[in-house]
Amino acid sequence: QSVLTQPPSVSAAPGQKVTISCSGSSSSIGSNHVVWYKKLPGTAPKLLIYETYKRPSDIPDRFSASKSGSSATLGITGLQTGDEADYYCGTWDSRLSAGVFGGGTKLTVL
Amino acid sequence: QVQLVQSGGEVKKPGASVKVSCEASGYNFGTFGIAWVRQAPGQGLEWMGWISGDNDNTYYAQRLQGRLTMTTDTSTRTAYMELRSLTSDDTAVYYCGREFCDKDRCYLVDHWGQGTLVSVSS
Repeated sequence: QSVLTQPPSVSAAPGQKVTISCSGSSSSIGSNHVVWYKKLPGTAPKLLIYETYKRPSDIPDRFSASKSGSSATLGITGLQTGDEADYYCGTWDSRLSAGVFGGGTKLTVL
Repeated sequence: QVQLVQSGGEVKKPGASVKVSCEASGYNFGTFGIAWVRQAPGQGLEWMGWISGDNDNTYYAQRLQGRLTMTTDTSTRTAYMELRSLTSDDTAVYYCGREFCDKDRCYLVDHWGQGTLVSVSS
């Protein structure tokens, strides 16, 4: 059982917007920065968001993120078939002194 | 550019140990640490631990403490992850990643190695 809680799956049509939630606690998301990764089978995770809101230079602005209290959200607009993947949130847990991840959310672009 | 190159896949018997290496290039090895993350078949990502580039500090996931040792060799810019007393539950792809930590927290991986498959089977 993961420390962070994500919905197992989300889906939307091409061109639409989708959000993926990530729920934690005061010692995890509530106190630390959040990262988001895109994961395809057989490949390493790819960083989408770091320090809660920031995008690496190679990530388009279709990807955005926010945080409120102990929860974080990843938003993806203008969905493309290439966005189909598993998405993971992660953060530091100050109580555990360890990194923690959500269980992952499978995005299907219908 | 930042690159992390891991050693090749391993097949181990239950009870054995495995040691995976991760050679870093393209950045100041001493400024960042190396985290290890694994993904078992059909499962999510699991953060295993972190070691500073200068080998001075470590964080280990509580459930792996006692079986897991992380080390670095600054002369070769290589990090190592050794996991002992393997069981079939340790079958997974193991990833190393560059991860920055300050005095009391880490910011999770920003660059990843390619992954190393470790299979544990009798």
